[in-house]
Amino acid sequence: NFMLTQPHSVSASPGKTVTISCTGSSGYIASNYVQWYRQRPGSAPTTVIYEDNQRPSGVPDRFSGSIDSSSNSASLSISGLKTEDEADYYCQSYDTNKHVVFGGGTKLTVL
Amino acid sequence: QLQLQESGPGLVKPSETLSLMCTVSGDSVSSSSYYWDWIRQPPGKGLEWIGSIYYSGSTYYNPSLKSRVTISVDTSKNQFSLKLNSVTAADMAVYFCARTPNWGYWYFDLWGRGTLVTVSS
Repeated sequence: NFMLTQPHSVSASPGKTVTISCTGSSGYIASNYVQWYRQRPGSAPTTVIYEDNQRPSGVPDRFSGSIDSSSNSASLSISGLKTEDEADYYCQSYDTNKHVVFGGGTKLTVL
Repeated sequence: QLQLQESGPGLVKPSETLSLMCTVSGDSVSSSSYYWDWIRQPPGKGLEWIGSIYYSGSTYYNPSLKSRVTISVDTSKNQFSLKLNSVTAADMAVYFCARTPNWGYWYFDLWGRGTLVTVSS
């Protein structure tokens, strides 16, 4: 089964840049789009990146997404960190049978 | 205003059937532009896709839940529903309904607030 693996947690200081990885277990992660969702405590997830690197309206350009085919991974980078960025972040894609797969989530702490 | 709202019992007994509805406001479940989805999140854990439905009735289910899940759409009420039978404690979770644009891939661009379902006798 296709799986997406994320680090359990990352941390960085305000103003810095942090990168969260999402590694595919098999296949070619660049074959299917990757999305990233932010989830604050007690709230539903919201999209910060779709189609690997596209930002929905209202998401600041401090958020960027990329794909690294050599490592079969996707990444979410957040620059100019703010305390409000502290949340859980999930990557999401799908397998060859069109079954949705979520990564396990990464807790971002802004120190 | 465009929104999704989950509703249903917050407490289900083990071995019984969990039933939830999602009411769509500001959009139509009959639209060919979207799929309609169910996703859940056990307390303190990550997100798990349950399944999705198109207005035509075509469904896609998580293979790990497929034998217990039914998702259907009621165009007259502008709702779609989830039924999960033979529930156990492992099915206790916040259940979200969501929407996927019909762009050829899965992307949840709109979510409901979620509803907590507890499984207990």
